[in-house]
Amino acid sequence: NAGVTQTPKFQVLKTGQSMTLQCAQDMNHEYMSWYRQDPGMGLRLIHYSVGAGITDQGEVPNGYNVSRSTTEDFPLRLLSAAPSQTSVYFCASSYSIYGTHNYGYTFGSGTRLTVV
Amino acid sequence: GQQVMQIPQYQHVQEGEDFTTYCNSSTTLSNIQWYKQRPGGHPVFLIQLVKSGEVKKQKRLTFQFGEAKKNSSLHITATQTTDVGTYFCAGPGRDDKIIFGKGTRLHILP
Repeated sequence: NAGVTQTPKFQVLKTGQSMTLQCAQDMNHEYMSWYRQDPGMGLRLIHYSVGAGITDQGEVPNGYNVSRSTTEDFPLRLLSAAPSQTSVYFCASSYSIYGTHNYGYTFGSGTRLTVV
Repeated sequence: GQQVMQIPQYQHVQEGEDFTTYCNSSTTLSNIQWYKQRPGGHPVFLIQLVKSGEVKKQKRLTFQFGEAKKNSSLHITATQTTDVGTYFCAGPGRDDKIIFGKGTRLHILP
């Protein structure tokens, strides 16, 4: 199993450009999320999905769109990049966020995005 | 909204000393998870606690979940250089969001 695969690993965008960060998992996880990580801010939830066809907003959704057409894929779209979106982006998936089993997130290796 | 607070934000310890990080939620959690992130890496799942008052151990790491299920702690005994990194706690809110604390960055002095 590849786990959670994120592409690209690095990206530089100009202000106003759009792009899609790709995330794919092969573990048949229902729950997927996107986080951004900035120094001193921890991991902040952008959008999440509890299953194919279902998405919802997290703590910092403005400027980002997501879709979940399949269980495996959860792409994150930046509509019009701004310097404030310079960050490290992590995609994560989990079998479940509840229950008594020892489930946790599996994270991708991250995308380091710079907006100039 | 739900908030998860972690203290301290940073901790420097001599190698061999113990280390503890604390996590407090503004709401009752159905479970709490702990993650470790090495410098330049991605978070890696360590453990999940579910029951009130639960204590779990992984070698030198001891995890506790409070009786009210609103706080938790991670204690490392006799730290080693391999323990360097940032430790995060996280928990699910009522609306299926998993919210992370800001983490505690552990630095080991040789």
